Amino acid sequence: DSGVTQTPKHLITATGQRVTLRCSPRSGDLSVYWYQQSLDQGLQFLIQYYNGEERAKGNILERFSAQQFPDLHSELNLSSLELGDSALYFCASSVANSGRAGGGELFFGEGSRLTVL
Amino acid sequence: AQSVTQLGSHVSVSEGALVLLRCNYSSSVPPYLFWYVQYPNQGLQLLLKYTSAATLVKGINGFEAEFKKSETSFHLTKPSAHMSDAAEYFCAVSDLRGSQGNLIFGKGTKLSVKP
Repeated sequence: DSGVTQTPKHLITATGQRVTLRCSPRSGDLSVYWYQQSLDQGLQFLIQYYNGEERAKGNILERFSAQQFPDLHSELNLSSLELGDSALYFCASSVANSGRAGGGELFFGEGSRLTVL
Repeated sequence: AQSVTQLGSHVSVSEGALVLLRCNYSSSVPPYLFWYVQYPNQGLQLLLKYTSAATLVKGINGFEAEFKKSETSFHLTKPSAHMSDAAEYFCAVSDLRGSQGNLIFGKGTKLSVKP
């Protein structure tokens, strides 16, 4: 158990809909990362938050947004869903804002599997 | 830009045989390198990491990896494969620019272990 909790584990929805994925980081971790895992793209970094502020952006679509709340949990919002958004979405956390400061490793949740029909 | 290349999307070995999973990296700064394992329907679990200390890094479950700067490689090995090692393995490099902490992952190598 990594200590990172993600809900829901599975989600099935229709095209055009909006969903919210939730993540609670390990106790004491200030950074939260979101990744998308799909068969064709592999593991793609979406976005990082540190202590409530956006720190880095990766390949995140404009239809997607995220935030980190004062209690450090994070939500990833996916809107106007398309078939191609079907994927496993991982949240990860780390203690520091940067790899060099924090030792570099990330701790991953078990993911939220999104299926768009 | 930093990147990771994993050679071989599928590797199959017999139980008891040597496991060798290949990873090459590209980085303009001294990298931090990682191997993660993903079992079916689970998240990613850290196997081992290199952060510029000893070049031979030992991890969990009998795995180890050697950092070779001259070859820009960080291959993962295990002397004797076990059935429970069947999983997907990801090599990753830490993006150490500025205040970013995200990892850049390779495409993954799926390891099968035959009895």
